[in-house]
Amino acid sequence: DAGITQSPRYKITETGRQVTLMCHQTWSHSYMFWYRQDLGHGLRLIYYSAAADITDKGEVPDGYVVSRSKTENFPLTLESATRSQTSVYFCASSEAGAANEQFFGPGTRLTVL
Amino acid sequence: AQTVTQSQPEMSVQEAETVTLSCTYDTSESNYYLFWYKQPPSRQMILVIRQEAYKQQNATENRFSVNFQKAAKSFSLKISDSQLGDTAMYFCAFMKPYGQNFVFGPGTRLSVLP
Repeated sequence: DAGITQSPRYKITETGRQVTLMCHQTWSHSYMFWYRQDLGHGLRLIYYSAAADITDKGEVPDGYVVSRSKTENFPLTLESATRSQTSVYFCASSEAGAANEQFFGPGTRLTVL
Repeated sequence: AQTVTQSQPEMSVQEAETVTLSCTYDTSESNYYLFWYKQPPSRQMILVIRQEAYKQQNATENRFSVNFQKAAKSFSLKISDSQLGDTAMYFCAFMKPYGQNFVFGPGTRLSVLP
């Protein structure tokens, strides 16, 4: 029962480099989400996806790109990493329907030097 | 836009005592959903309890209960008989009707002391 997984769990990169964070879920949930967690802000939504090939911006999308070619995968790419993108990134998934629980992955701690 | 406020950045409680975490929110919606998530040191986000705004009865899950005051836009979490394993960050979250996205509060760090 793998559930929802993220890789890598830890990543250090340099300013200007491209970084891709992976997210995979085994439940066939329709919805998938990317959040970033920063002290004092809680979790803020970056992008979400309602189904394969359907994505939409969240609260803080600038500097990020997502894709969803398959239902189970939802990678997040930082095209040119900046220090302000140092954060803990969480992927989540949920079934379609009102007020369904979101299930979260274990998170990726990203440090941009 | 909706906002969620948690005014207590940190709290502590003695083991076996009761503690209440505060959450207030701002919305013009009449129906919506409210959640409490727990994040222990492992970083895993775990759903604690959920409340539907059109239900007047406060939700309860074992030792966890909420005090939902719709007019005051308040949604506090009460933890009874606190246990060491309750040590965690607690996040209050708001979801609109027919929506799938959360708006999270900044969190309250709870420490349960032996």
